[in-house]
Amino acid sequence: NAGVTQTPKFRVLKTGQSMTLLCAQDMNHEYMYWYRQDPGMGLRLIHYSVGEGTTAKGEVPDGYNVSRLKKQNFLLGLESAAPSQTSVYFCASRPSGGPGYEQFFGPGTRLTVL
Amino acid sequence: AQSVAQPEDQVNVAEGNPLTVKCTYSVSGNPYLFWYVQYPNRGLQFLLKYITGDNLVKGSYGFEAEFNKSQTSFHLKKPSALVSDSALYFCAVSSPILTGGGNKLTFGTGTQLKVEL
Repeated sequence: NAGVTQTPKFRVLKTGQSMTLLCAQDMNHEYMYWYRQDPGMGLRLIHYSVGEGTTAKGEVPDGYNVSRLKKQNFLLGLESAAPSQTSVYFCASRPSGGPGYEQFFGPGTRLTVL
Repeated sequence: AQSVAQPEDQVNVAEGNPLTVKCTYSVSGNPYLFWYVQYPNRGLQFLLKYITGDNLVKGSYGFEAEFNKSQTSFHLKKPSALVSDSALYFCAVSSPILTGGGNKLTFGTGTQLKVEL
């Protein structure tokens, strides 16, 4: 099992460019999440999905869009990148059910917006 | 709203000494508490969790955590630290009483643990 994988690992964008980050999981998990990690701020939830075809906003959704067309994939899009979106992005997944299940994290994507 | 506080940005400890990384939380209803560890340039790895039952929870790599309901704390501990324990540690909380669904986790800001020889 590969677990949770993220593509790409690194990316440099210019302000105004767009890109899509791909998250894939092979554990048949229903729930998937996108976070950003910034120094001194921990992890903040951007968007999440509780199943194929569903998405919902998290704590910091502005400037991002997501799609969950297939159960195993969760895409995070930046339509017009801004320097404030320079961050490390993590995807996570977990089974459906109560709050006692832990989340499984991908290795992260380091994004720099110039 | 739920929240987590990790009051120490960094904890330094000598190898072989016990370590404690502090975490306090605020949540409606019963808390579900988690500790994760992040090594440099890696994703978060699950260490342990408290759901219900015994207040002392044992996890991976010899770590344990003590749930204290009256103090709303969930401190991470290890009896004898190793240099290889040096990493960034995150406490997180969830609750069954949460608007919007998704069983979302709220993370603390993280504590950098440095274990020195």
